[in-house]
Amino acid sequence: SAVISQKPSRDICQRGTSLTIQCQVDSQVTMMFWYRQQPGQSLTLIATANQGSEATYESGFVIDKFPISRPNLTFSTLTVSNMSPEDSSIYLCTHEGNEQFFGPGTRLTVL
Amino acid sequence: GDSVTQMEGPVTLSEEAFLTINCTYTATGYPSLFWYVQYPGEGLQLLLKATKADDKGSNKGFEATYRKETTSFHLEKGSVQVSDSAVYFCALSPFSGGYNKLIFGAGTRLAVHP
Repeated sequence: SAVISQKPSRDICQRGTSLTIQCQVDSQVTMMFWYRQQPGQSLTLIATANQGSEATYESGFVIDKFPISRPNLTFSTLTVSNMSPEDSSIYLCTHEGNEQFFGPGTRLTVL
Repeated sequence: GDSVTQMEGPVTLSEEAFLTINCTYTATGYPSLFWYVQYPGEGLQLLLKATKADDKGSNKGFEATYRKETTSFHLEKGSVQVSDSAVYFCALSPFSGGYNKLIFGAGTRLAVHP
């Protein structure tokens, strides 16, 4: 499976601001997935991003809050908009076929 | 919709004890099933998987058998070590035979004492 790099690895943000997380894959993949892991919780899928089409959001997640871009087959971004402390989580991306390793993700703290 | 239910933790065991962590699922099709492990401060790692009924996944002494009749995928290990202390997540992928989006259980924390 492809190697995933994600940045930033961590950030501390003020409420009301937005943060864009970048996910780069070292080979072309069809589907990319964005997950959230809130403190002490399990992983929850936010959305599925296919290149050339709008992302598909899971129940409880909306595009206005978590806009996603997928400009090509190796890259995606997730923006966490108008942040509140409840958005403090680890955000992870992975891709179709990458069942082995999620990586450390982006640890976001909202003050 | 599809879902995964795991036994609540924490599970506390002494070293060399037998481990079982229960996992049951609800799915409309023929999902693939996974166990992931998360060590303190680290990302998720795939522990084992099974892609069809009666398959047994195994790794590092851990085993789980895909039981379609009971919709279960219980994780077992015959003799746990302190180094097995971690959070274990059961997950399913709704599409048979491969990997796609994952639906996770709540996770079960395991603490193994010497």
